[in-house]
Amino acid sequence: QKEVEQDPGPLSVPEGAIVSLNCTYSNSAFQYFMWYRQYSRKGPELLMYTYSSGNKEDGRFTAQVDKSSKYISLFIRDSQPSDSATYLCAMSHPGAGGTSYGKLTFGQGTILTVHP
Amino acid sequence: DVKVTQSSRYLVKRTGEKVFLECVQDMDHENMFWYRQDPGLGLRLIYFSYDVKMKEKGDIPEGYSVSREKKERFSLILESASTNQTSMYLCASSPPGTSGSGEQFFGPGTRLTVL
Repeated sequence: QKEVEQDPGPLSVPEGAIVSLNCTYSNSAFQYFMWYRQYSRKGPELLMYTYSSGNKEDGRFTAQVDKSSKYISLFIRDSQPSDSATYLCAMSHPGAGGTSYGKLTFGQGTILTVHP
Repeated sequence: DVKVTQSSRYLVKRTGEKVFLECVQDMDHENMFWYRQDPGLGLRLIYFSYDVKMKEKGDIPEGYSVSREKKERFSLILESASTNQTSMYLCASSPPGTSGSGEQFFGPGTRLTVL
């Protein structure tokens, strides 16, 4: 079983829809939770990060962490064609790698297409 | 503006060749990482380095080696390329893990094809 599971999709939605992307994880030591966005033929870039449980909002994007369920979500409101990309969840804990080397554990990524 | 650059966007090599992938970051970051990305498998960590001349194996180090002679440069070496090493290779860097979330900054990737 992988430490982080993410449905690879693909997910196709009409413009304006609310999109929900999710990851589950098994390691209760994870404390930092991130979402990366990767456009085609580009490297991933950080979209949002959350420390521990709770919600965080940034414009049309909301990240949620439920540590009790080991479940994180990214919601995209009023989705746009420019949101079409692969979304990767990533997690870390302070002791990753035996010391704080900043190792991240990634989900498989979800391919999202928003069509006009 | 932070920047991670990779020496090639596309590379085609033959089986058995020695392949060098170069990565340079201009953010004075201590940590550097090499991943490969394959459909359905996500990002898998090959090697990482937390200081000059230091390296640690990741999850899939077999068939690869790395070199870090200078802080800003981290090289991935395929000693004898094989077709199953055809993949997208991504380099990333980050400041020390104690300084925050461990956000990693990625380069644009090198798509390597081994024939």
